Amino acid sequence: SQTIHQWPATLVQPVGSPLSLECTVEGTSNPNLYWYRQAAGRGLQLLFYSVGIGQISSEVPQNLSASRPQDRQFILSSKKLLLSDSGFYLCAWSPSTDTQYFGPGTRLTVL
Amino acid sequence: AQKITQTQPGMFVQEKEAVTLDCTYDTSDPSYGLFWYKQPSSGEMIFLIYQGSYDQQNATEGRYSLNFQKARKSANLVISASQLGDSAMYFCAMRVLLSNDYKLSFGAGTTVTVRA
Repeated sequence: SQTIHQWPATLVQPVGSPLSLECTVEGTSNPNLYWYRQAAGRGLQLLFYSVGIGQISSEVPQNLSASRPQDRQFILSSKKLLLSDSGFYLCAWSPSTDTQYFGPGTRLTVL
Repeated sequence: AQKITQTQPGMFVQEKEAVTLDCTYDTSDPSYGLFWYKQPSSGEMIFLIYQGSYDQQNATEGRYSLNFQKARKSANLVISASQLGDSAMYFCAMRVLLSNDYKLSFGAGTTVTVRA
């Protein structure tokens, strides 16, 4: 069966520091991958998606970037964090148009 | 533009009773999909149920059913026989096409609290 992992689970970082969040999927090959962000008490907003290795599309211009160095690995990065980058970051993968399955998420607090 | 609206910020339901969560959507695409997810306090988004716009019958998954009324553009979630473990936030979402993929566009969510 397929599983999706994210780490770290929680992160507290100072403003201006770099960021690297990792997402990996097991049990499938060539998945479509997604990074969403959820502000407190709100719905999710798509940040980036990828349909293959090295293929990254951005939905919202921002302080973040994404990379897909391997088939089942998706990384969210920033060179310098802002206060507004705080939130809950969720990675998802899709086997079809019928659903997206989400990872456990990373809760990021920027101080 | 595609939009999902959930008008109920929070609801209380007695254990073993049914609860209906409202969701309306707006889209000009002839083909679309509607989803419901559950988010407990742990934060994980759990997929519950999916309804395609061309599906003739309402989707059901165990105690979850989706009341799909296409003409009214509504896709309400019905949870039957509520359990304490159903207490969570529930999100309605719609599939929105991208240039080479699709994304989920989410509503603001409804918090459900099940009382013993």
